[in-house]
Order: sequence, then structure tokens, then C-alpha cells
Amino acid sequence: DTAVSQTPKYLVTQMGNDKSIKCEQNLGHDTMYWYKQDSKKFLKIMFSYNNKELIINETVPNRFSPKSPDKAHLNLHINSLELGDSAVYFCASSSRGAGELFFGEGSRLTVL
Amino acid sequence: AQKVTQAQTEISVVEKEDVTLDCVYETRDTTYYLFWYKQPPSGELVFLIRRNSFDEQNEISGRYSWNFQKSTSSFNFTITASQVVDSAVYFCALRDPLQAGTALIFGKGTTLSVSS
Repeated sequence: DTAVSQTPKYLVTQMGNDKSIKCEQNLGHDTMYWYKQDSKKFLKIMFSYNNKELIINETVPNRFSPKSPDKAHLNLHINSLELGDSAVYFCASSSRGAGELFFGEGSRLTVL
Repeated sequence: AQKVTQAQTEISVVEKEDVTLDCVYETRDTTYYLFWYKQPPSGELVFLIRRNSFDEQNEISGRYSWNFQKSTSSFNFTITASQVVDSAVYFCALRDPLQAGTALIFGKGTTLSVSS
């Protein structure tokens, strides 16, 4: 069983479209995250949720909206996609406190 | 503010060479955790090690070893007798665990290329 799973793994779409990436974890963790990895491999935190409550909301355009229906799920919806949104998006989860983050396999978004 | 610096952008070595990846961090917290992750060409992020700020003991795991020095705010990673399979991007990261939902702050990564 995959601990943190993201779908889809690849997403190719046109500018201006709206798309979603789903994430689920079966580790029983309280906290989930979205990270963006750009073409230079830099990993930047976008959002974190703890027990369905938004904790971190970095400087991300409001076209990006995370939604956590329950502790095990954190979805990312992106409106009006732009070329600069092309990246790999990683979902992750962790236990409360000092634990390491467990990452999904990543979702590669390409905006044409 | 927290910050992680990996000054080496790319390193190339030949198999069986030893290689050290540098990591320097900045934080005003007294309690924090440091991590190393590996990202092979296949793209997944693989957890390698976690170290808390109160434990400066060096760690060895097979060919991997880590040297944590609070005096210089460094957490360096050494691979002994490197192999082609070690080729990857390696990330150092910092986390303040005291608040729920805190994230890992990553360095920009070091790309290691090991040739045969």
C-alpha cells in the first residue's frame, strides 16, 4: 500500500484551464503539505494543514486553493493556469512534531 | 528566519571516491530538527536521516555518514566509496517542531553525479 499517493502523476493542460491534484495518505498523520518543485529543483512549501485546519499559506497566488475534506486527504485546485505554474507538485504528510515528512511521488504539471 | 544553504550546486566524482555534501543552516530556535533527503532521477523524495538539535553525535549508516556541528551550524553528509546509484539530488532541510503544521525548509539541493 502506498503511504502517500497523488493523482494524477502527469497533467498536461492549456493556459487558462482549471485543474486539480488529489492527495491521500494512509499513515494516520495529522499534518499534510503541498510543495512545489520548480525546474531548478527548488522545493518550496505552499500550504500545510493540521487536522483539516490551514496552518501555512505561503505567498502563493490565490488561484491555488487547497481543500482538506478530512485528515487523510489534501487536494490542490488551481484556477486559470499560467505557464509559470508548470512544475512538479509534491504532497507530503507527517506526524505532529518532529517527524520526517513522507512524500508522494509527485505530480508533474505542464501548462502549454 | 530559518534558512538552509547548500553551497555546492553540482559535484561530479568517479566511482569509489568519497564525497562530502555541505549543509549550513540558520535558525534562532534552540530546538529544531535537521534532515537529508535524496531525489534520484526517478523523481521521488527519499528520507535519509533526521537529527535533533540536542544530539550532536555523528551517525553512520553503511556508506553514509553525517557530521552535525552546532558550533558551525553545519550538518554535512559524506558518502564513502561512491557508486553510480548514488547519483541524485540531495537536499538538506530544517524543521522547527514546536508548532503543529510546521514545514521542512529545504536547501536548494546538491546534484551529485557519480561516473563509472
